[in-house]
Amino acid sequence: GENVEQHPSTLSVQEGDSAVIKCTYSDSASNYFPWYKQELGKRPQLIIDIRSNVGEKKDQRIAVTLNKTAKHFSLHITETQPEDSAVYFCAASLGSGGSNYKLTFGKGTLLTVNP
Amino acid sequence: DAGVTQSPTHLIKTRGQQVTLRCSPKSGHDTVSWYQQALGQGPQFIFQYYEEEERQRGNFPDRFSGHQFPNYSSELNVNALLLGDSALYLCASSGSGAIGYTFGSGTRLTVV
Repeated sequence: GENVEQHPSTLSVQEGDSAVIKCTYSDSASNYFPWYKQELGKRPQLIIDIRSNVGEKKDQRIAVTLNKTAKHFSLHITETQPEDSAVYFCAASLGSGGSNYKLTFGKGTLLTVNP
Repeated sequence: DAGVTQSPTHLIKTRGQQVTLRCSPKSGHDTVSWYQQALGQGPQFIFQYYEEEERQRGNFPDRFSGHQFPNYSSELNVNALLLGDSALYLCASSGSGAIGYTFGSGTRLTVV
């Protein structure tokens, strides 16, 4: 089955700096790659996602890049703010993100943005 | 528009007991997936229900079972609880043909 590796496990940056989190996946059939932000004691919330027919997607300070040949994708957060502090999870899914397919998650990255 | 609601929010059970967790999907969603999130780990897929049937299952023992009702709500049952079953149990709903999932806030299960 699918296996998703996520690095680093912890990341500490200064406010205003950029943060990059990287994930690799094993199943070349995976086609949908969402990123979730989970604050302590709260639900995972989708922050951005990308499908395999796209190499990059941006939403304000957040961007995701996908390299299907190398089977890796990355989350980029620019101009980080203290409220960006949370655990971030990458995930991979077969199909194109339809509800038929399960998500396989990475183990998460604890991002700390220091004021 | 109500999101995904789960109950109860917290639960403490004794080893060997049975537990039932409940989930109401987001309005308009007909598919419910359950995930187990151990402390410091990513969510692990347990199973998915659609049209009142289990459509997919992850690597969890038969002690974990579920049900989906005609109104699309779902239950997760765990029998013969083990200490290792202590985790946050997340429900995620999605709609046929839609992209992505909406997660509930979870049920924190502690087995003592």
